[in-house]
Amino acid sequence: DVKVTQSSRYLVKRTGEKVFLECVQDMDHENMFWYRQDPGLGLRLIYFSYDVKMKEKGDIPEGYSVSREKKERFSLILESASTNQTSMYLCASKEQHLPYEQYFGPGTRLTVT
Amino acid sequence: GDSVTQMEGPVTLSEEAFLTINCTYTATGYPSLFWYVQYPGEGLQLLLKATKADDKGSNKGFEATYRKETTSFHLEKGSVQVSDSAVYFCALMPFSGGYNKLIFGAGTRLAVHP
Repeated sequence: DVKVTQSSRYLVKRTGEKVFLECVQDMDHENMFWYRQDPGLGLRLIYFSYDVKMKEKGDIPEGYSVSREKKERFSLILESASTNQTSMYLCASKEQHLPYEQYFGPGTRLTVT
Repeated sequence: GDSVTQMEGPVTLSEEAFLTINCTYTATGYPSLFWYVQYPGEGLQLLLKATKADDKGSNKGFEATYRKETTSFHLEKGSVQVSDSAVYFCALMPFSGGYNKLIFGAGTRLAVHP
């Protein structure tokens, strides 16, 4: 079974802190994704990575950056956390063949106070 | 641009009732379509999928048929259980768009009561 793990289930940070969210997958997938989930908005793509050290902005990249130094690990960084970044963050990795299913981690609920 | 619209929730049903959650999409070409489910406190799990017109995806008693003529992918289940209480997301993967990004609907919360 594909496994996608995220470093924390719950995080509470203060405004202005630098925050790291870690995601690890064990299926040798090339593509990995970070989404945020907000009520009534569904999931919105923040960043994705199609290979080690390769990344592209998604739909809402402002205030975030990412790092992919190893194939299995994809990190989301909040350079200076703000209260409007309080949300559920979901990581996913994707298989390379049809139907290109994405496998999700359990999510990190981040609260910025 | 490509988008997914699904019915607003919450949907509240009694156990053994029939479930329909509507999903329509806007996309060019032939996207792949998915239903994901999120149980309380968990991440998303793929429930079912369809990759071409008239395909029927099915899993755990849930079904959805890819209807290109109506651009729809409605989720149905004949008899829901309390354990089906969750949030359901309809999603599409554009046929062209590089790196196979998923576009999600807003989600529909289902609550099933005994």
